[in-house]
Amino acid sequence: GAVVSQHPSWVICKSGTSVKIECRSLDFQATTMFWYRQFPKQSLMLMATSNEGSKATYEQGVEKDKFLINHASLTLSTLTVTSAHPEDSSFYICSARSTSVSYEQYFGPGTRLTVT
Amino acid sequence: AQTVTQSQPEMSVQEAETVTLSCTYDTSENNYYLFWYKQPPSRQMILVIRQEAYKQQNATENRFSVNFQKAAKSFSLKISDSQLGDTAMYFCAFMKLTTGTASKLTFGTGTRLQVTL
Repeated sequence: GAVVSQHPSWVICKSGTSVKIECRSLDFQATTMFWYRQFPKQSLMLMATSNEGSKATYEQGVEKDKFLINHASLTLSTLTVTSAHPEDSSFYICSARSTSVSYEQYFGPGTRLTVT
Repeated sequence: AQTVTQSQPEMSVQEAETVTLSCTYDTSENNYYLFWYKQPPSRQMILVIRQEAYKQQNATENRFSVNFQKAAKSFSLKISDSQLGDTAMYFCAFMKLTTGTASKLTFGTGTRLQVTL
């Protein structure tokens, strides 16, 4: 089946530093990848949609300069949290859509970010 | 904009029993998909079942089935013969079909299901 990986699974960083999270589709090509944020005991909130080779589309209220998304290839998208602050601590989940299956998203296992 | 409502924050069911999770949605679209996702303690999102709006027949996947009422905009999930491994957060999700830009999932707030012995 379709597998999406995320790296790292868990990261701690100091306030003011930047951290990069990778999302990879391992056995399929993904023209579109999505980045979500999930606070404890809450639902997934879509942050942005990225298409391979083009700029990401951010949801309203999401700071594009703070959450940099790059989708350089059909199997890799990255989310960089710049100048992280404790309020950025959260669980970040990516998902990828196969080029051949337009309605299904395959989710990564998530990355827990803790900013101290 | 679409909204998805799950009115049951928490539910509990005994092993081997049947439980139904509720979901309603609001949309003016006619072509869309509905999904139920499971998020166990590992937090990996797992697709449980999918329903195409144009299909009148309710989707089923082994012990999981849905009751899709398009006119009422209701999409409930029935879990039969509940197992301890079904303990998880369950999210109902809506996706309208669009051309061009990718269709996005809109999630409900989730229902935490606890299966007990």
